[in-house]
Amino acid sequence: AQSVSQHNHHVILSEAASLELGCNYSYGGTVNLFWYVQYPGQHLQLLLKYFSGDPLVKGIKGFEAEFIKSKFSFNLRKPSVQWSDTAEYFCAVGAGNNRKLIWGLGTSLAVNP
Amino acid sequence: DTGVSQNPRHKITKRGQNVTFRCDPISEHNRLYWYRQTLGQGPEFLTYFQNEAQLEKSRLLSDRFSAERPKGSFSTLEIQRTEQGDSAMYLCAGGRISSTDTQYFGPGTRLTVL
Repeated sequence: AQSVSQHNHHVILSEAASLELGCNYSYGGTVNLFWYVQYPGQHLQLLLKYFSGDPLVKGIKGFEAEFIKSKFSFNLRKPSVQWSDTAEYFCAVGAGNNRKLIWGLGTSLAVNP
Repeated sequence: DTGVSQNPRHKITKRGQNVTFRCDPISEHNRLYWYRQTLGQGPEFLTYFQNEAQLEKSRLLSDRFSAERPKGSFSTLEIQRTEQGDSAMYLCAGGRISSTDTQYFGPGTRLTVL
């Protein structure tokens, strides 16, 4: 069965700390990979996406993610977090003919000023 | 702003009542998805439309749930005889058929069944 696993459910960091959120997926075919962010009280927003080509993708607000095909992973990184990065982060895989998204449980990130 | 709107934003209903939600994507969105999200969980796929055709339904979608997209533009999701377990955030996403297949989400409708 298709599944997405996010390693950390809750992360607490201080400002300027580095961030890495793990994401692994289980799917045998071609996939599109996404990270979405949900700020408090707001709707899901696309952070970055991978479809093909360079496995290191850059998104908005200084985030990047690396697709490692052999590990079925798509980890999210940011070198230096800010208080405004406090949010829920979701990894998702678009699979199948209809490209429906299969989601991880999400990681709640709290950044202390 | 993704251009995807959903109404109402909040709905409180009593068990057994019927509710209907609406999603308005932008005109370029020939794909439309419905997801459901409960607290502490990621969204779960419910159903998918390509233009006006409903091409996939999740097994999560019981017979009490029905969705339509009559003219390939807006979509409605109806829940009949609501149960407390239906309480969740219902999310709509639009997208275009393309190699990127990116989905753009609306703000969601939060349903509370008392």
